[in-house]
Amino acid sequence: DGGITQSPKYLFRKEGQNVTLSCEQNLNHDAMYWYRQDPGQGLRLIYYSQIVNDFQKGDIAEGYSVSREKKESFPLTVTSAQKNPTAFYLCASSMGPAGERPQHFGDGTRLSIL
Amino acid sequence: QQQVKQSPQSLIVQKGGISIINCAYENTAFDYFPWYQQFPGKGPALLIAIRPDVSEKKEGRFTISFNKSAKQFSLHIMDSQPGDSATYFCAASMKGGSEKLVFGKGTKLTVNP
Repeated sequence: DGGITQSPKYLFRKEGQNVTLSCEQNLNHDAMYWYRQDPGQGLRLIYYSQIVNDFQKGDIAEGYSVSREKKESFPLTVTSAQKNPTAFYLCASSMGPAGERPQHFGDGTRLSIL
Repeated sequence: QQQVKQSPQSLIVQKGGISIINCAYENTAFDYFPWYQQFPGKGPALLIAIRPDVSEKKEGRFTISFNKSAKQFSLHIMDSQPGDSATYFCAASMKGGSEKLVFGKGTKLTVNP
């Protein structure tokens, strides 16, 4: 079945630690996205990538980093600079631009502070 | 101008009733308006989407109504069922290369049996 796989489902971070969230898609989509979801806040865009080896900052990129070395993979690193990392992180992909093609989401990673 | 304002924040409806969720926007460059449905612990799933060249789009029990002059759009769920209990998000985007979907803050719908 085609889809987006996020792992792990739950992740705990210690103070000063960087953690990496995995996102893999087998939909052959060009564009991939990372969102952060907080209760009552909707979804906020962290980073997005339209093609391999290229990515752009979203609205809340500070304290996060990404890479796009393969079309199917778009890992997100939550660095120690992100002081409030506790949230539900969602990865998405689409065939084309947001205004022209629907975005498909994975089932998220819930990150908490230890 | 990039905001999409969604209301109500929460909604309780009896089984068989009509659920109505409203969204408003300011940016007239928006021209793609999707609605997403999210169950607890899951990612959002596209429910239905509309462009401004139509005033209404219906898919089964779900209908989007669009009022371009008022810059408002709404989701109607007819004959609401307990299985419709979820959080619903409206969103908006611009055509022409924009990668950004702007989301409303969500509406938690509870349908009582």
